Amino acid sequence: GAVVSQHPSWVICKSGTSVKIECRSLDFQATTMFWYRQFPKQSLMLMATSNEGSKATYEQGVEKDKFLINHASLTLSTLTVTSAHPEDSSFYICSARAGTGNSYEQYFGPGTRLTVT
Amino acid sequence: GDSVTQMEGPVTLSEEAFLTINCTYTATGYPSLFWYVQYPGEGLQLLLKATKADDKGSNKGFEATYRKETTSFHLEKGSVQVSDSAVYFCALHTGFQKLVFGTGTRLLVSP
Repeated sequence: GAVVSQHPSWVICKSGTSVKIECRSLDFQATTMFWYRQFPKQSLMLMATSNEGSKATYEQGVEKDKFLINHASLTLSTLTVTSAHPEDSSFYICSARAGTGNSYEQYFGPGTRLTVT
Repeated sequence: GDSVTQMEGPVTLSEEAFLTINCTYTATGYPSLFWYVQYPGEGLQLLLKATKADDKGSNKGFEATYRKETTSFHLEKGSVQVSDSAVYFCALHTGFQKLVFGTGTRLLVSP
């Protein structure tokens, strides 16, 4: 089946620094990628949707200047958390969708745990 | 807005026991419904789906029926195995490609 990887799997950074998380579709081309955030014992919350070659669409309440998303190719999307603060500590999960139109199946990465100290 | 509510875990069962994980939803229109499973250290995988009322999704011995009258999509399996231990997420899909997830239910199956 389709495989999506994330790197790093976990990262610890200091408050005020920026951290980049990569999401790759390994064996298919992803026209659309999604970034989710998951708090302990809570749902996955969609942060943004990115389409290759265009600007990401952010969900209400997500700061686009803080969470920079780049979908530069059909196999790679990156999420950069800028000027990270402890409240940004969370589990970040990406997913990728192949195809277009009414195709709805998303393939998920294993997630990245971010801890901001 | 659209939402999914599923039972809190963990659900602890012995091998070969019957499993039910409840899931109810609130949505405008007619969503598609899904169960995803996340094994330790892995990404979410689609387990089964149903796209319209009364549809039954099934895979790997798991089943769920789309019940519009009760807005439910409960996950069932007749005989669980240790290898079924994972976190299970109920989700719905709206017409705008967005998945809305429940909080996830951890299943622990002991030998």
